[in-house]
Amino acid sequence: SQKIEQNSEALNIQEGKTATLTCNYTNYSPAYLQWYRQDPGRGPVFLLLIRENEKEKRKERLKVTFDTTLKQSLFHITASQPADSATYLCALGAGNMLTFGGGTRLMVKP
Amino acid sequence: DAGVTQSPTHLIKTRGQHVTLRCSPISGHKSVSWYQQVLGQGPQFIFQYYEKEERGRGNFPDRFSARQFPNYSSELNVNALLLGDSALYLCASSFTFEGVYYYGYTFGSGTRLTVV
Repeated sequence: SQKIEQNSEALNIQEGKTATLTCNYTNYSPAYLQWYRQDPGRGPVFLLLIRENEKEKRKERLKVTFDTTLKQSLFHITASQPADSATYLCALGAGNMLTFGGGTRLMVKP
Repeated sequence: DAGVTQSPTHLIKTRGQHVTLRCSPISGHKSVSWYQQVLGQGPQFIFQYYEKEERGRGNFPDRFSARQFPNYSSELNVNALLLGDSALYLCASSFTFEGVYYYGYTFGSGTRLTVV
């Protein structure tokens, strides 16, 4: 069955460092992959989309890579700030449907 | 512009009861999707509607149903509530049903349903 794995343990980093979050998947051939940010009690907020024929996408301090051979996406936040503390969800898409991973909680300490 | 609005924000129901959750998409968005998010997990797809037609259905029992109205707002109905239905129910909208491929979804803040 399809499986999307994100590190369920919280990631704690120091302010100013680069945070790297991992999304691995099996038994899935997504046409695209998305990353969302979710704060407690709120709905997810769309951050970035990368398609299967793209290797890397950037937006301001965010960078996402997509390796369809390794079946893995990496999400980077450079120069991290305490305001970046949240849960980050990866979501794989085929057609018009998204399947979400369980999310990784990021804590950026000042 | 208003974002995706959901009502109510919180709801407490008893096992066996029925519940209706409501969603108004962003103006101009014609596609609405519903997700269930249990605490500590990622959102799980329930339904997608576009132009009042069901375009996708997740692995949920027939107790779950939905519909979309001519103004593109949507309702999610859950019958015979179980304790396990306790979750955050999220509504997401996009311009087209394929819009998620280009622009991602815009989510509402959700309805927190507690079944006791």
